[in-house]
Amino acid sequence: ETGVTQTPRHLVMGMTNKKSLKCEQHLGHNAMYWYKQSAKKPLELMFVYNFKEQTENNSVPSRFSPECPNSSHLFLHLHTLQPEDSALYLCASSPNGVSSYNEQFFGPGTRLTVL
Amino acid sequence: TQLLEQSPQFLSIQEGENLTVYCNSSSVFSSLQWYRQEPGEGPVLLVTVVTGGEVKKLKRLTFQFGDARKDSSLHITAAQPGDTGLYLCAGAGTASKLTFGTGTRLQVTL
Repeated sequence: ETGVTQTPRHLVMGMTNKKSLKCEQHLGHNAMYWYKQSAKKPLELMFVYNFKEQTENNSVPSRFSPECPNSSHLFLHLHTLQPEDSALYLCASSPNGVSSYNEQFFGPGTRLTVL
Repeated sequence: TQLLEQSPQFLSIQEGENLTVYCNSSSVFSSLQWYRQEPGEGPVLLVTVVTGGEVKKLKRLTFQFGDARKDSSLHITAAQPGDTGLYLCAGAGTASKLTFGTGTRLQVTL
């Protein structure tokens, strides 16, 4: 138990569906992240939020839309996805997004399959 | 773009053997972290190394940061089945942005 929870753990959706991934951290951290983990590719950073403000968008397609209503919650809204978007989506938090160490605490991930 | 190459990509060994995983880059990092990820879970932080040449030990795991802060290694002594997983290195560069390595998948069998 890392203090970061993600729901749902598994999601299967069609290309025309709209769904949302949820992440919650119980660690009192100020920074939250979305990562994409695909087979045969390094972990890819998607978005970074510091104190609820988006500070990084790593050239992510607009069919992925993040939302951070407060420092403890992070959402990833999905719409009109493509099969190649199938992957494990990981949420992470860190104590302070501008610290030099930036150690990440990950949730268990959502396994997304796009049909 | 900062890249971190890990080797080997895959490693299958028997319980009791020793192994070393390497993490190499042409870029300098302010610190480097190692994570282990088990199936169905997210990565879990094992250690952070900060100073060039630093060596840290965590029970049977020994982590070293290269003198030039461009590379790192993870040595496991007397591997156990519980060590099975995906090992990821991650370097912190400018603006503390993390770059993750390509990963080493370790399988330890009885």
